[in-house]
Order: sequence, then structure tokens, then C-alpha cells
Amino acid sequence: EVQLVESGGGLVQPGESLRLSCAASGFTFSRSWMHWVRQAPGKGLVWVSRIKSDGSGIAYADSVQGRFTISRDNAKNTVYLQMNGLRGEDTAMYYCAASPGGVGAFDWGQGTLVTVSS
Amino acid sequence: QSALTQPPSASGSPGQSVTISCTGSSSDVGGYNYVSWYQQHPGKAPKLMIYEVSKRPSGVPDRFSGSKSGNTASLTVSGLQAEDEADYYCSSYAGSNTVFGTGTTVTVL
Repeated sequence: EVQLVESGGGLVQPGESLRLSCAASGFTFSRSWMHWVRQAPGKGLVWVSRIKSDGSGIAYADSVQGRFTISRDNAKNTVYLQMNGLRGEDTAMYYCAASPGGVGAFDWGQGTLVTVSS
Repeated sequence: QSALTQPPSASGSPGQSVTISCTGSSSDVGGYNYVSWYQQHPGKAPKLMIYEVSKRPSGVPDRFSGSKSGNTASLTVSGLQAEDEADYYCSSYAGSNTVFGTGTTVTVL
């Protein structure tokens, strides 16, 4: 069974940074693309970033390009999202998602809440 | 990176069927057979219901089915049950990114 456990969320002020982590188990992490998806309160799902199994193929949504950095450590079965220059509009639940079963077939963690407010 | 278009709401009585559309473009839905559908209950994480247009993960009832024609994908829930009341989101691989739909709230009357 795929298990994804996010951590690192919290309350920060505009302009500050946070690093989210997602610990994975129950599947072959080193063979799976990994993604971050966010959901603002009361809003829909928005894809944020992706990293392919070997750390290549990194992509970002336009809204976070240049501010967020995705990375992974296949030895630790963990994916990260470094978020710099946070803005109020970045306030959301951040979900880690894995696609071990195929492109776009996401299994999800429970999410970690990021609140950006002064 | 525009969101895929879904109707805001859909409804049906128990036992009936409901179909949700998901409209994109040739750059996403129409260009790849990597359309997925997710169910999300309030306060919960999304759950994969359909992947690669029409495949069901293990454990998902066969009341859920998916299809695609051109730039529009569809999710049909047959034999509606109370527990099907939730938000549903489509998504599509788009090469350099993944795009989600705007979401549809399904109400069981």
C-alpha cells in the first residue's frame, strides 16, 4: 500500500521560506515520478511541481517558477519542496503525490497546511 | 496552464447515473491518453478513481467508468450511492506539466 507522509507546513510571514518533506513507503520510490499539488481553502486542486524518478524532468507551474524548488533523495525515499519568497496566495494544503502506477495516476498523502500571513 | 473545464455541479437520485465532463485542448486531454479522475470528500485527500482514461484501480467499484472523445473526457457514476457525494476532479498529463479540472460537486438527492 502506498503511503505518503508530508511534513514541514506551518504559519509564515510573506517573503519567508519553508521546506516541505514527503516520506514515501509501500512502493518502489526510485521508479516513481513525484509531484506536489496544492489546494487553497475552498478551492480546487492545482498542480505545482513534478520530478521524474531519477531527478530529471523537473517542471513547475508558472505561479511558482523561480520561487519553489523540488528535489528528491532516493536513498531516503523522500521528496522535498523548498518554497522561497512565499506570498499570501501560496496559502494552501500541499499534497505530495506519487505516480507509481503510471503517468498521471496519483496516489496522495494527507497533506500539510501552509499559511502565509502577517 | 489553464485548468480543464468541468461543470460546477451535478446531481442524481440514488440508483441513477451521473456523467461529468472535462474539457481541455489538444495539448492535454486530446493529446494524451493520460486522463485521471479523483474523488475528494470534505476534509480528505483526493482518491484516484480512474486513470489512463478508463482504467480502474483495484478496489474502485465498477460503477465508475471513464471515456474520452477528442478534447473532452467523461466520468460516469452509475447506480449512485450516498457515499458517492463528493467533489470530483479530472486531470491530464500535458507533457511539461499536469493540469487539473475546475472540479465538480456531485450531490445525491
